[in-house]
Parts: sequence; C-alpha cells; structure tokens
Amino acid sequence: ELKVEQNPLFLSMQEGKNYTIYCNYSTTSDRLYWYRQDPGKSLESLFVLLSNGAVKQEGRLMASLDTKARLSTLHITAAVHDLSATYFCAVALFGGGADGLTFGKGTHLIIQP
Amino acid sequence: ETGVTQSPTHLIKTRGQQVTLRCSSQSGHNTVSWYQQALGQGPQFIFQYYREEENGRGNFPPRFSGLQFPNYSSELNVNALELDDSALYLCASSPRTGKGTDTQYFGPGTRLTVL
Repeated sequence: ELKVEQNPLFLSMQEGKNYTIYCNYSTTSDRLYWYRQDPGKSLESLFVLLSNGAVKQEGRLMASLDTKARLSTLHITAAVHDLSATYFCAVALFGGGADGLTFGKGTHLIIQP
Repeated sequence: ETGVTQSPTHLIKTRGQQVTLRCSSQSGHNTVSWYQQALGQGPQFIFQYYREEENGRGNFPPRFSGLQFPNYSSELNVNALELDDSALYLCASSPRTGKGTDTQYFGPGTRLTVL
C-alpha cells in the first residue's frame, strides 16, 4: 500500500523567512504533485514532477524530486502572508492519468507579518 | 475554457438516505476522479472513470458508486449514508494523453453533512 507522509503537519513562520516542507512516499512512482488548498476552497495545482532530479519554481515556491530517496521538497523563499494555506503532496502510481492520487495529510502553513 | 464544476455546493442528509453528486469535467478532459476529504485530512481516492467505465477504485465500500456520461460528466452516488460520510467530495478531471503528465484539476467540491 502506497503511503505518503508530509512533515511538518503544521508550520507557523514569519514573513521573510525560508522554510522547507518534506514529502516522503513508500513506493516507486513516476509522478509527484504539489497542491495548495485555501480554507474552504478546492485544491489548486502547483507543480508536477516527473523525473529524478526534477526541479520546478514558481515565484517564491520551488519543488524538487529525488526518486531514489522517494522524497520531494517544497521550499518557500522569503515567505509572504499570501502563501498561508495548506499544502499537499500527492503521488500517482501509474502514468497517463490512469489512477487515483494518494495524498499526504497536508502541511498547514501560517505566515505571520 | 470552463473549469471543473460540481453541484450542489452543500447538501444535508440523514443517516440511511441516498445522495447523488454531480461533476462536469474541464473542456477536453476525458477522465474523472472522485475524492473524499474529511475535515483536516488529505483527499482520499474513491474511484476514477474513463470512457464511461470505472478505471480504478480506492478503499471504499460498494455503496459508493458512480457513472460517467458520453460528455465525460460524472455522478457519485452514495447509498445508506453514514455519519462518517460527512465530508467534502471533490471531483477532478484530467486528459488521458498517455504522456504521464496528466495533472488532475479539481472542482470546488460538494460539502455533504449527514445527520
């Protein structure tokens, strides 16, 4: 059974600081996703990582994937309040969208001024 | 381009009742997946439909069933509702290109409360 673990589950940080969210998964996968969810809202796709060593960046967020370690990271640079949300990583077992995603429990991120 | 839409937004039912939730996929997407998200948890995969057939299922009992229509829209049906079925139900659509890059795009969800 595929398991996805995120840590930390809760993070409170100050604006301007850097931090990293970690996502470990238990079975070889060809795709890893990061999503953002605001309170009471649906999930917004942030990144999809497809291969070992993949790195993607969007604004103050950067995601990376190490398939050998079964580890992905989401790094936040110089955090701003607008990045406060819950971040989920999710892993797919097969290619082509032919299966469901297994999600971590999410990291609830609060960025304080 | 229209995104994923779901109806209704909110729903209140009592134990033992049946419910049907609806989802319209994003234009050009032929695959629909359903997820259940309990409060404070990550979404859990219920099942996926492709070409009107179930194409994978998570660890949910048979009282959770679904349909996909020729226009790729989909329904989730839950029979014999239990209190633990109270959750946000999310629908996600994706293209089936076979290229391994098919991101699932989520709808706004239906909040189901079972009393």
